[in-house]
Amino acid sequence: GQSLEQPSEVTAVEGAIVQINCTYQTSGFYGLSWYQQHDGGAPTFLSYNALDGLEETGRFSSFLSRSDSYGYLLLQELQMKDSASYFCAAGGSQGNLIFGKGTKLSVKP
Amino acid sequence: KAGVTQTPRYLIKTRGQQVTLSCSPISGHRSVSWYQQTPGQGLQFLFEYFSETQRNKGNFPGRFSGRQFSNSRSEMNVSTLELGDSALYLCASSTAGLESADTQYFGPGTRLTVL
Repeated sequence: GQSLEQPSEVTAVEGAIVQINCTYQTSGFYGLSWYQQHDGGAPTFLSYNALDGLEETGRFSSFLSRSDSYGYLLLQELQMKDSASYFCAAGGSQGNLIFGKGTKLSVKP
Repeated sequence: KAGVTQTPRYLIKTRGQQVTLSCSPISGHRSVSWYQQTPGQGLQFLFEYFSETQRNKGNFPGRFSGRQFSNSRSEMNVSTLELGDSALYLCASSTAGLESADTQYFGPGTRLTVL
């Protein structure tokens, strides 16, 4: 089947760096996306990796290793507003989008 | 540009009833995909429509259906509602759709409660 695994919860302090891992098993995988969702809000796109390596967008970076079926989202200089759920999502050749169950990040002062 | 809008935002129905949810995509976007979000199962793909055609479908029973109109607005219908259908239903739009790994822009969702 198709599945993505990510930790359910992560806690960190303001100013710190946190890494959220995602391992996937999908058929016809072609890329890994990351979305952020605040409580009561809609998911918003953060980053996308189609090729191996690191993509950097401001304080957020995302990494992909196709050979390991693994990726991560790196959040630097954490701020209180980064407290949210983060989802990895894999696109496959079947033309669907499979989401992980989300990682709830709590940023403490 | 205006974002993705969904109506209604909240809905309460009873078992056995049917419901229709609406999604208006960002102007110029031809793809609309639908997702069900629950605490237990997370975000699950329902289906995608592109230029009025259903392009892909997730693993949901036939009670879940949808359609897309010529202006790209989409509706999702759930018939014979069950308690387990209580969820946040999200739609997302994009220019080229899921097959092109296009960024999905999500609406605020419709919170459906089935009693």
